[in-house]
Amino acid sequence: KNQVEQSPQSLIILEGKNCTLQCNYTVSPFSNLRWYKQDTGRGPVSLTIMTFSENTKSNGRYTATLDADTKQSSLHITASQLSDSASYICVVSADTGFQKLVFGTGTRLLVSP
Amino acid sequence: DGGITQSPKYLFRKEGQNVTLSCEQNLNHDAMYWYRQDPGQGLRLIYYSQIVNDFQKGDIAEGYSVSREKKESFPLTVTSAQKNPTAFYLCASRPQGYTEAFFGQGTRLTVV
Repeated sequence: KNQVEQSPQSLIILEGKNCTLQCNYTVSPFSNLRWYKQDTGRGPVSLTIMTFSENTKSNGRYTATLDADTKQSSLHITASQLSDSASYICVVSADTGFQKLVFGTGTRLLVSP
Repeated sequence: DGGITQSPKYLFRKEGQNVTLSCEQNLNHDAMYWYRQDPGQGLRLIYYSQIVNDFQKGDIAEGYSVSREKKESFPLTVTSAQKNPTAFYLCASRPQGYTEAFFGQGTRLTVV
């Protein structure tokens, strides 16, 4: 069964600190993995995309890693800001004709002043 | 501005009533999707459409219906057959050959 699991479920950190969010997946055949940021009551917005051959990708203060052998990904946020408070969703695409998306349940991050 | 517009943002429905959620995109994307989001759960696919006048059931289609008469529009009807319709509904679109889904801002439906 295609699944995406994220940890932790929720996280509180102080402004300026770093944090790392985890994503484990069992999706086959694997096409790519995206991290989305979802502000409360809004639609998700893509942060990064990782394909099978990529190990790391950065987008400003966000750095995603991918280990295709262990089927794990992480999202590292550096020097957190209050605006980073949101849910972060890991989404894995299965390489079917329809590009099926499998969503994780998300990690809710709260950055405290 | 280009994008995906969902309306209304908030919607209240009495039990036993059908209600239609609007989703419009001016991105010229071929594929459109409807997802449902509940607390503590990942997004679940209700229906998707890869081309005009064609759509397919997703994982939780029971109690929902859609149409795709125009490329830019993909309305979702929540029928009275949906037993637990209170949720946050997200519409998304994707251009052919591209893997990123672009999401609307969502509609929060509450059954009262």
